[in-house]
Amino acid sequence: KNQVEQSPQSLIILEGKNCTLQCNYTVSPFSNLRWYKQDTGRGPVSLTIMTFSENTKSNGRYTATLDADTKQSSLHITASQLSDSASYICVVSTYSSASKIIFGSGTRLSIRP
Amino acid sequence: DVKVTQSSRYLVKRTGEKVFLECVQDMDHENMFWYRQDPGLGLRLIYFSYDVKMKEKGDIPEGYSVSREKKERFSLILESASTNQTSMYLCASSIPTSAVSYNEQFFGPGTRLTVL
Repeated sequence: KNQVEQSPQSLIILEGKNCTLQCNYTVSPFSNLRWYKQDTGRGPVSLTIMTFSENTKSNGRYTATLDADTKQSSLHITASQLSDSASYICVVSTYSSASKIIFGSGTRLSIRP
Repeated sequence: DVKVTQSSRYLVKRTGEKVFLECVQDMDHENMFWYRQDPGLGLRLIYFSYDVKMKEKGDIPEGYSVSREKKERFSLILESASTNQTSMYLCASSIPTSAVSYNEQFFGPGTRLTVL
């Protein structure tokens, strides 16, 4: 069964600290993995995308990693800011039809001043 | 700037009412999607459409229908709303899967529907 699991469910850190969010998947055949950021009351917005051959992708203070062998990804946030408070959603796509996009349930990150 | 808009941010309806949720995108995207988002469950696909007048069931289509009469507009219809349809509804659009964007979906702000 195609599944995407994220951990932790929620996380609270102090402003300026780093953090790492985890995503494990059992999706096959794998096409790509994308991390979305969802601010409260908004729709998700794409942060990074990685295909099978990529193992690191950065977007400013966000760095995503992918280990296709162990089917794990992480999202590392450096020097967190209050605006990083949001839900982060891991999404894995297959090579089949457009409906085969599997969403994780997200990690809710809160940054405290 | 790409834009997906949804007709309402908040909606309160009574059990049994017919509910229409409208979504419009201005990016000339072929694909459009309707999801519901519930705490702990993530986004679940209700229906999607890859062309005008075309529709495909997603993972949880029961109790819903859709309409796509124009490329830019995708409507979600709850024929007879029930309390278990209380949720956040998100619309998204994308260009076809074979394109370089690799399925990036552009989301609207969501409609929080409460059914009493």
